[in-house]
Amino acid sequence: EPEVTQTPSHQVTQMGQEVILRCVPISNHLYFYWYRQILGQKVEFLVSFYNNEISEKSEIFDDQFSVERPDGSNFTLKIRSTKLEDSAMYFCASKEDSHTDTQYFGPGTRLTVL
Amino acid sequence: AQSVTQPDIHITVSEGASLELRCNYSYGATPYLFWYVQSPGQGLQLLLKYFSGDTLVQGIKGFEAEFKRSQSSFNLRKPSVHWSDAAEYFCAVAEYGNKLVFGAGTILRVKS
Repeated sequence: EPEVTQTPSHQVTQMGQEVILRCVPISNHLYFYWYRQILGQKVEFLVSFYNNEISEKSEIFDDQFSVERPDGSNFTLKIRSTKLEDSAMYFCASKEDSHTDTQYFGPGTRLTVL
Repeated sequence: AQSVTQPDIHITVSEGASLELRCNYSYGATPYLFWYVQSPGQGLQLLLKYFSGDTLVQGIKGFEAEFKRSQSSFNLRKPSVHWSDAAEYFCAVAEYGNKLVFGAGTILRVKS
């Protein structure tokens, strides 16, 4: 069964460093999302992406964050200058098309900022 | 704005007992509702969803949920819990085509 994959599974970085979290959505899906879950808190929406542009973003998704679909398979989340409070589990999700609302999630990347 | 409330942070049930996890939503139109499960260290797995039609929906692993518009609820149930069901369960609502809004989650513990 097709699935969303994410790499790395765990990323440790120093405060102020740039990180890129990678996702490979399900191959025929057109809508892509990033969510995050700070330890002990609820899963929060960050950004949605369709047709090579951001369709919606949350207040969390400030200028430090960017997303990109550099090729036909990868979907990346970049944090330009990480802060301690960026430590969280980051989930990528994808959805097939506009006629469905089911998002399929990857296993997540745990980001630890020291 | 949409919101989801899961009033129970933790629930403990005995193996073989029935289970009901509560979810209440706030949304102006017909909601698209989901239950996801997250095992420790794992991602979010879709258990079931409701878009329209029959208000009792069946999902994977023997779970079901009932949409009650009058109560703005979408409670998850299972008649007989297995130890492997121990996990965190998230209720979520989506506006068509848009982001998911999650509840805070309910941690299920199963005692033998």
